[in-house]
Amino acid sequence: QSALTQPASVSGSPGQSITISCIGTNSDVGSYDLVSWYQQHPGKAPKLMISEVTKRPSGVSDRFSGSKSGNTASLTISGLQPEDEADYYCCSYAGGRTFVVFGGGTRLTVL
Amino acid sequence: EVQLVESGGGLVEPGESLKLACAASGFTFKSAWMSWVRQAPGKGLEWVGRIKSYADGETTDYAGPVRGRFFISRGDSRNTLYLQMGSLKIEDTAVYYCVTNPVEAFFEHWGQGSLVTVSS
Repeated sequence: QSALTQPASVSGSPGQSITISCIGTNSDVGSYDLVSWYQQHPGKAPKLMISEVTKRPSGVSDRFSGSKSGNTASLTISGLQPEDEADYYCCSYAGGRTFVVFGGGTRLTVL
Repeated sequence: EVQLVESGGGLVEPGESLKLACAASGFTFKSAWMSWVRQAPGKGLEWVGRIKSYADGETTDYAGPVRGRFFISRGDSRNTLYLQMGSLKIEDTAVYYCVTNPVEAFFEHWGQGSLVTVSS
């Protein structure tokens, strides 16, 4: 069982918006603005999409945005495109002796 | 362009050791914090451990499941990151990614991964 809880799957039609939740605790997501999100296509290495809750790296589409409220972080993808179909993972700093925790991943299907 | 190229993966038996290497280029390696992240077949991502830069004391930290068995080191003169894995278990079977780690829990650049299979 992963430390952060994500839905196993989400889906949407092209052009729609979807949000993937990432539920942690007050020991990780709730305590640090150090949440990141990764996109992984089959057989490929993960790619950073969002860092430090809301920061979008250069080259990442502005259709991707991140937010956090309490112990829950969220990734929103607007204007879904077929190439967005992938697995998405959230990650948070957890301090202490745990340091870093990942979510179990969410498979996004673009219908 | 940042490049991270892992090597050293392969098939080993339970209890054996293996050392992975990651050749880095395209950035100032000696100043970078680096991590290893792994992914078991068909499973999610799992942080393995991190090493800080020389300037930050080359401090290492590890995830619970590997603490005391895995050790991360760096060769700044060779721009290379290492992962020494000992007492390997079947559950250590995974693709191991070398990643840059600018801030805690922020993995910016990823290598292509190196598959380690632990099986008898």
